[in-house]
Amino acid sequence: GAGVSQSPSNKVTEKGKDVELRCDPISGHTALYWYRQRLGQGLEFLIYFQGNSAPDKSGLPSDRFSAERTGESVSTLTIQRTQQEDSAVYLCASSFSVGSRNTIYFGEGSWLTVV
Amino acid sequence: SQQGEEDPQALSIQEGENATMNCSYKTSINNLQWYRQNSGRGLVHLILIRSNEREKHSGRLRVTLDTSKKSSSLLITASRAADTASYFCATDAFGGSRLTFGEGTQLTVNP
Repeated sequence: GAGVSQSPSNKVTEKGKDVELRCDPISGHTALYWYRQRLGQGLEFLIYFQGNSAPDKSGLPSDRFSAERTGESVSTLTIQRTQQEDSAVYLCASSFSVGSRNTIYFGEGSWLTVV
Repeated sequence: SQQGEEDPQALSIQEGENATMNCSYKTSINNLQWYRQNSGRGLVHLILIRSNEREKHSGRLRVTLDTSKKSSSLLITASRAADTASYFCATDAFGGSRLTFGEGTQLTVNP
């Protein structure tokens, strides 16, 4: 596709349930990032993938969070046993490669509300 | 603590006026980028300035970088109501791969 695509756009889930968020990066982009943004706040880095290298998971807030990426395509972010503090927008982004000289392109985000 | 911190947190101006937002950071950087976000959705890249550059222009945007003060400013000239958005600076630690974002400045341009 032309841009980074995320689904679902909005998700309301009950506390304790698991959720999966999906990201389709721009074709040809080897780097993929996940960020979390709570209401009115900045972006928190969660994880990034670069090609077949081991992902940088240093931003994942707890072991309830995990992410996978198949090759250089789709990525899924999974949150297990969701808590109310997990409510946020989860933003996915991709770039040609890892490295801050590369512009990263964001998707529209997945709004998660845990009730 | 945040690598990039913007101020002011919120700015309200009239259409046609200039808007200036500032960003401070703590560690050495390769470059600094500014992004815009409408209504809490995806961010859009505006401009990148490298650590060896002092000023950069793109249309109505002017970015400055002062590495001695570890600060940057984003100036939007002749603002329009459509410029209403949140603006974030993003920095990388020297040699780092990830971008670290600040808390953002919420700009409101009143018609």
